[in-house]
Amino acid sequence: NAGVMQNPRHLVRRRGQEARLRCSPVKGHSHVYWYRQLPEEGLKFMVYLQKENIIDESGMPKERFSAEFPKEGPSILRIQQVVRGDSAAYFCASSPEIGQSSYNEQFFGPGTRLTVL
Amino acid sequence: RKEVEQDPGPFNVPEGATVAFNCTYSNSASQSFFWYRQDCRKEPKLLMSVYSSGNEDGRFTAQLNRASQYISLLIRDSKLSDSATYLCVVNAISKLIFGAGTRLAVHP
Repeated sequence: NAGVMQNPRHLVRRRGQEARLRCSPVKGHSHVYWYRQLPEEGLKFMVYLQKENIIDESGMPKERFSAEFPKEGPSILRIQQVVRGDSAAYFCASSPEIGQSSYNEQFFGPGTRLTVL
Repeated sequence: RKEVEQDPGPFNVPEGATVAFNCTYSNSASQSFFWYRQDCRKEPKLLMSVYSSGNEDGRFTAQLNRASQYISLLIRDSKLSDSATYLCVVNAISKLIFGAGTRLAVHP
């Protein structure tokens, strides 16, 4: 019974490089959420996606950040031209369809820890 | 004002103690409420949902007061394994709004 999977678990990038973070939701879940946790801070919502659609990206920085959840394959959070301030833990969560049990609950993956040198 | 506010702690308590955490939220349209637990450098895990009628799960009791926009978590008979950060979480139109967390350290 696989939960949310994220890879890589740790990612090191130099300033100016690109970072790609992948998230595979719980099997059967079609809602994916990305959150960022800066050191010593709480989690902050970034974006909410359903298959092939961005539903809410109000927490996403306007530049350099993008997210997708294609029909096939994992959700991808992409950060272009990374800067030191992007160093954080990025958590992905998924939830089932509205109407299914626990539809309000979001199940979290183990996170990707991004370090920008 | 933060959307979800919690006392950051830390709360340092001996085993067996009772400890209470409080949380306030600012969006009166919030639909559902949770307490999550986060261990150091791990993902948050759902501890319990919070209902207006109050709910209990073993040593844990959660209360919600919608009029005051206030949520609480009570832990009885604390165990060493309860040491973690407790996150107050509000669901606002599908996205979760997290408090910064309250750290609990239970010592022998």
